[in-house]
Amino acid sequence: SQQGEEDPQALSIQEGENATMNCSYKTSINNLQWYRQNSGRGLVHLILIRSNEREKHSGRLRVTLDTSKKSSSLLITASRAADTASYFCATGVAGNKLTFGGGTRVLVKP
Amino acid sequence: SAVISQKPSRDICQRGTSLTIQCQVDSQVTMMFWYRQQPGQSLTLIATANQGSEATYESGFVIDKFPISRPNLTFSTLTVSNMSPEDSSIYLCSVDLPGGPYEQYFGPGTRLTVT
Repeated sequence: SQQGEEDPQALSIQEGENATMNCSYKTSINNLQWYRQNSGRGLVHLILIRSNEREKHSGRLRVTLDTSKKSSSLLITASRAADTASYFCATGVAGNKLTFGGGTRVLVKP
Repeated sequence: SAVISQKPSRDICQRGTSLTIQCQVDSQVTMMFWYRQQPGQSLTLIATANQGSEATYESGFVIDKFPISRPNLTFSTLTVSNMSPEDSSIYLCSVDLPGGPYEQYFGPGTRLTVT
C-alpha cells in the first residue's frame, strides 16, 4: 500500500511561475525523497531530506519536512517547460526500502 | 551515481507466456529493487534482491509469479510468469549505493503490454 499521498494530483502553471506540491505519510520515516519521472521513463532522484532536517535546497528546488504533521512539500521556483513531468515523494524506512506516493503531474505551459 | 540499463525496453506478449527482464548496473551494488508501475499509477515495490540470498517479496507478490535472480553484484533478472493483461505495466529496477545516503538510481524501465 502507498505510504504517501500527494496533493494535488495534477498541476498546470505558466512558465516562470512557482509550483508547489505536498506529500503526507503515515508512519515514522528515516528520510523522505522526491523523484521526477518524464513521460513513463525511469525516475530521477531530485532531493533527499532526512527525518532530523526541516528544509533543504537544491538549485530551484526547495523541500520542507514537518515530521510532527507527517508532511513534506516540494517547491519548484521559476518553472520551465522542461519541468513538465510527474513528481513522486517516497518515504525511506528501515532496509532502504522506499514507499512511493501517488504522484503529482505537473504541466508547465510556455 | 550509478548507470542502469534494462532489457528489453518494451515488449508485447501473449497471455500465458513469460518474459524475463534484465537489469545491469555499471558498478557493484548490494541491493537491487524491482518495482511495478501500472498505467497512470505510482510505483509499487515487488521485491528486494541481494546477491547471494533469496529475494524478499512484498505483500501481494510471490516468487512463483515473479521469480528473481541475482547472480552477481551488477546484474539481476525479473521474470513475469504466466502473464495476463493485468500484468501490463512498466517494470523498473533500481539500486542504492553502498554506504548511503540511500537515494535510489533507476533504470529506464521495461514497458510490458500483455494481449
